[in-house]
Amino acid sequence: AQRVTQPEKLLSVFKGAPVELKCNYSYSGSPELFWYVQYSRQRLQLLLRHISRESIKGFTADLNKGETSFHLKKPFAQEEDSAMYYCALRGNAGNNRKLIWGLGTSLAVNP
Amino acid sequence: EPEVTQTPSHQVTQMGQEVILRCVPISNHLYFYWYRQILGQKVEFLVSFYNNEISEKSEIFDDQFSVERPDGSNFTLKIRSTKLEDSAMYFCASSEPGADTQYFGPGTRLTVL
Repeated sequence: AQRVTQPEKLLSVFKGAPVELKCNYSYSGSPELFWYVQYSRQRLQLLLRHISRESIKGFTADLNKGETSFHLKKPFAQEEDSAMYYCALRGNAGNNRKLIWGLGTSLAVNP
Repeated sequence: EPEVTQTPSHQVTQMGQEVILRCVPISNHLYFYWYRQILGQKVEFLVSFYNNEISEKSEIFDDQFSVERPDGSNFTLKIRSTKLEDSAMYFCASSEPGADTQYFGPGTRLTVL
């Protein structure tokens, strides 16, 4: 079964603290993994994807195929990072382009 | 920067009525999608559309749902006879050919009474 699990609905940290948002997936094959972010009153937007291996706004995520995880990390959280974060998976078979989503984690960065 | 737009932002309808949700994808994009998110639940894929036809649809996308690209710019989702459980936020997205990034609209909140 294709599934994305984000075990934490809410994560609250203080400014300057490290943050890790967990994402595990289930997929028979080699999926593409993404993190999308939704700031208050804004639309869903792509934060980063595993194939580009880049750091965006200080966030990184490494695909661990052995643990089927794609955790999102940032060493020093900022208040403007407060948002809803969604992990999503896309299969790579043929024309399969749909995104399968986790439930989302609400990150609150406190001053 | 071009954006996906959706109208209306909020639609209230009576159960059994037909609704049409409208989306204007980014102009050079060729793949279009509809997703929905029931309050407190996951974002769920409904349908993808390419080259004027449905390329994939989910189990949710039954005979009550249809999509259309009537004029080369709009991309619409029609629900023929709405049910209470259709109440959700509906997101439209589009992507370029060969690209994996989907760009999302702001969503339409559908409330079925």
